[in-house]
Amino acid sequence: AQSVTQPDIHITVSEGASLELRCNYSYGATPYLFWYVQSPGQGLQLLLKYFSGDTLVQGIKGFEAEFKRSQSSFNLRKPSVHWSDAAEYFCAVGSPGNTPLVFGKGTRLSVIA
Amino acid sequence: EPEVTQTPSHQVTQMGQEVILRCVPISNHLYFYWYRQILGQKVEFLVSFYNNEISEKSEIFDDQFSVERPDGSNFTLKIRSTKLEDSAMYFCASNPSGGVGKTQYFGPGTRLLVL
Repeated sequence: AQSVTQPDIHITVSEGASLELRCNYSYGATPYLFWYVQSPGQGLQLLLKYFSGDTLVQGIKGFEAEFKRSQSSFNLRKPSVHWSDAAEYFCAVGSPGNTPLVFGKGTRLSVIA
Repeated sequence: EPEVTQTPSHQVTQMGQEVILRCVPISNHLYFYWYRQILGQKVEFLVSFYNNEISEKSEIFDDQFSVERPDGSNFTLKIRSTKLEDSAMYFCASNPSGGVGKTQYFGPGTRLLVL
């Protein structure tokens, strides 16, 4: 069965610092991987996704993620965090077609001045 | 940009009462989903819906739950007799026509509190 682990429940970074949020997945075949962000009172907004091809994918708001099959990971990165990035971040795995997504528990990001 | 909308944003109900959560998916989308997130836990899949019928459901989606697309635009989740453990954030999602790699677009959620 598919599963996603986000080891960090809460991360605090300083504004302008770099960020890496970890995501590990378990899936038998090549996974479809997603990062969603949820700001307070908002829905889940798609940041980026990986289906195939280049293992480094670019997303919105300056985020990127790298798929590493050997490590079963899809970590999210941003070189310089802005205060507006404070939110909850969810990693999810899916499969081809319209199957349900399996989510991690999320990582809450706090940004301090 | 089109988006998924959900109403109400918050709902408080008494245990045993029926609730209906409403969603308006993106207009040209054909696949619809409900997920929920109990406070502090993962976002969990409940049910998917296509061509006016359930295409897949999880073990959470028992006989107390039902879904409907009553009028071609709304997509509803009904909980017939709410339990305390139904308290959660409920998310609706939709994606376009079938095929590989379709992205699910989520609504803002309805926070349900059962007292």
